[in-house]
Amino acid sequence: ETGVTQTPRHLVMGMTNKKSLKCEQHLGHNAMYWYKQSAKKPLELMFVYNFKEQTENNSVPSRFSPECPNSSHLFLHLHTLQPEDSALYLCASSQGSSPLYEQYFGPGTRLTVT
Amino acid sequence: DAKTTQPNSMESNEEEPVHLPCNHSTISGTDYIHWYRQLPSQGPEYVIHGLTSNVNNRMASLAIAEDRKSSTLILHRATLRDAAVYYCILRDSRAGGTSYGKLTFGQGTILTVHP
Repeated sequence: ETGVTQTPRHLVMGMTNKKSLKCEQHLGHNAMYWYKQSAKKPLELMFVYNFKEQTENNSVPSRFSPECPNSSHLFLHLHTLQPEDSALYLCASSQGSSPLYEQYFGPGTRLTVT
Repeated sequence: DAKTTQPNSMESNEEEPVHLPCNHSTISGTDYIHWYRQLPSQGPEYVIHGLTSNVNNRMASLAIAEDRKSSTLILHRATLRDAAVYYCILRDSRAGGTSYGKLTFGQGTILTVHP
């Protein structure tokens, strides 16, 4: 596999469920990101990790819990979500956080909270 | 943070050039101009970026105004595969700043390409 992969591609969960989204990058990058794309709203940055350390939490509710065990993997653990959390969740990676480095995005996980 | 303004939508015919404008009148000297696009049902993909000079790559050209308050993404021959939302984004290069390197997406321009 090449690039940035995300699993699952689609997820339906109830408000009391616990689930996890997985992202893997095969590019040797050091920075990884979670973004949220809600219907008719711009992409919003949620979390940033640099060399496995979280460097940004964009005021994200605690029901979203990221984990970065190594530079190639990024998880987003979900629990007690609300229907308004239904969105496309996109993972991205880059060589570093410098604006000279482009970000590579995965295809996203389409999440529906019922 | 400096913001960008783009038309909501544009249309083009296949094999014709497309000029996608972006206004960024409050751009600072340390902001890079980046363009990304998002095809239907996909994550965004990088297109091109520049600072002051015009840039060319295999996907597109970026023309930057002399005062840097506007830029234009040029697709030289549009194809149906170029139909996407195009985002013009300013990325701060001031190391240590709170917005350093951030990709802040706006609404973008929806490009429709007609056969």
